[in-house]
Formats: sequence, C-alpha cells, structure tokens
Amino acid sequence: SQKIEQNSEALNIQEGKTATLTCNYTNYSPAYLQWYRQDPGRGPVFLLLIRENEKEKRKERLKVTFDTTLKQSLFHITASQPADSATYLCALDIGGFKTIFGAGTRLFVKA
Amino acid sequence: NAGVTQTPKFQVLKTGQSMTLQCAQDMNHEYMSWYRQDPGMGLRLIHYSVGAGITDQGEVPNGYNVSRSTTEDFPLRLLSAAPSQTSVYFCASSHPKSPGQGDTEAFFGQGTRLTVV
Repeated sequence: SQKIEQNSEALNIQEGKTATLTCNYTNYSPAYLQWYRQDPGRGPVFLLLIRENEKEKRKERLKVTFDTTLKQSLFHITASQPADSATYLCALDIGGFKTIFGAGTRLFVKA
Repeated sequence: NAGVTQTPKFQVLKTGQSMTLQCAQDMNHEYMSWYRQDPGMGLRLIHYSVGAGITDQGEVPNGYNVSRSTTEDFPLRLLSAAPSQTSVYFCASSHPKSPGQGDTEAFFGQGTRLTVV
C-alpha cells in the first residue's frame, strides 16, 4: 500500500537558520505533491503544490523540491522565525480523486 | 466567506451511540473529504465525494457513512460509536484546476474532537 514517511522526531533549529523537512514515499508515482502547515488545535493550511514534472517550487521563504526518482520531496524554510514553529504535513495525490497525508514533522524555531 | 465549517467542535459519545458530524462549505467546491487524525498516524481518508450525489470510500471507511445531497454539505455519520473512533475529524473541500485532477489545494475545517467512552 502507499506509504508516506516524514521524520517523526521534532526538528529544533535556531532562528535565522534554514529548516529542511523530508518526505519520502513508496509504491506510487504521484502527479502532485503538496505541503501543509498545521498549528495545534487547528486544521491544516495549504502552503505549496509541486507537479511531477517540476523540480523545484518557491514561495517567499519556502522552497519545495520533488525528486520522482528518489521518491522524495524536501521542504525548506529559509531565515526561519519562531512563528514558523508548527507541524508540516506532506500530501500526495494518488489518483482517483484521493489525497493521502504523512504524519507530519514538528518544527520548533528558537529565538 | 466562512470557508469550511464543522460542527460540533467537541463531542463525547457513549459506545453504541450514533451521531452526525456536520460539514458545510460556501466556496462551491466540487470535492469534499473526511479525514481522521490520530497521534503518530497523520490524516487518514475516511470517505470522499467528487460532486453532489457521488461518494466513495477512502482508506478507513468502516463504521462511517456519508451522503452528498448538495454541493455545500457533506455530513459524516457514525453508525454505532466505538472507542476506536476516538479521534479528531477534519472535513476538507477543494476544486480541481483540471477536471479529474488533484492539482489544487484543499481547505480544511477546524476539526471535531470526538471522544467515545
């Protein structure tokens, strides 16, 4: 079955550094991959979508890469701020109108 | 626009009780989905709908029913609640940029925290 792996351990970084989160998947070739942010007690909020034929996508301080050979996406936050502290979820379009999500990685940015 | 609205926000049920979780969106989105979120397991797809009158099963459909009589509403019914259904439930909606594709963002409600005792 389709499996998405994100680092289960929290990522702690210092303010101003670049945070890099990893999403690995198996058993499928998604046409689209998305990243969401989730704050405690709230629903996920969409950040970025990248297509299988795109290597990289940027939005302000965010950058996503998508390597379909490695079956991996990397999510970068540059010049990180304490306000970036949240859980970040990776999501795959697996066809048939279905999107599945990873368990997420918690990011803590210390001032 | 309110976006995606879920009610109630919190609910406690006794084992065997039934209830309906409400979800409404005012964005005229075709796609709507229900997920449950459990610690360490991420969001798991329960049921989804690609339009009024059309529903299908996701990864974990057992114990849940859905219907989609209007574009706006997508209620989730728990037929006979069990402790294993204790979870946070999220409803999401989206509108594909390309017909039949998943190339669009999903908008989520605030969630319903359900406890079954």
